[in-house]
Amino acid sequence: DTGVSQDPRHKITKRGQNVTFRCDPISEHNRLYWYRQTLGQGPEFLTYFQNEAQLEKSRLLSDRFSAERPKGSFSTLEIQRTEQGDSAMYLCASSVRSGAYTEAFFGQGTRLTVV
Amino acid sequence: AQKVTQAQTEISVVEKEDVTLDCVYETRDTTYYLFWYKQPPSGELVFLIRRNSFDEQNEISGRYSWNFQKSTSSFNFTITASQVVDSAVYFCALSEKPDSGYALNFGKGTSLLVTP
Repeated sequence: DTGVSQDPRHKITKRGQNVTFRCDPISEHNRLYWYRQTLGQGPEFLTYFQNEAQLEKSRLLSDRFSAERPKGSFSTLEIQRTEQGDSAMYLCASSVRSGAYTEAFFGQGTRLTVV
Repeated sequence: AQKVTQAQTEISVVEKEDVTLDCVYETRDTTYYLFWYKQPPSGELVFLIRRNSFDEQNEISGRYSWNFQKSTSSFNFTITASQVVDSAVYFCALSEKPDSGYALNFGKGTSLLVTP
């Protein structure tokens, strides 16, 4: 399967712990996005990478959140000192930058539960 | 301010009925893109359609059709002869900022339940 892959699919952590999620985009997709989706809501944009450069960060991305895409391929999203309010589905998407805009393809997400 | 409004939170229909999902958007840009995504219980967002702001032609794809009207800032989605497999949450989304890689601004979604 060559779709967007996210790992893990589910994560349960205690409040105050750090967690890290991984996203493997579709091969050769140079754009990568992270979104957060809480229950009953639509996904909300967190951050955007073009290759290895993080070009945009939402105000939702507090200081406890950090995202990287070191070689312009896979990306990681780390949450430090997790809080119960961080419980959500974290979605990764990728797209390819071309003359004509192309749609983003989403992974199945990582569901985080902070207890 | 909410840029994409999906006023219908939940819709329930009986199989074979037609159903329209409403989407109203807000933007000051002249160039933007509108989308519909489907999110089945498995959770993965499935792309359905993209429309750019310069193309107001309505589109039909099988049982799906979309009505884009710039005059009313609406991009409605109709499913004809609904089926149980259409049960999912449907999201309308707006993309307008090239600096953010055209990141998507989603509505809150409409949960569609199709019963036999």
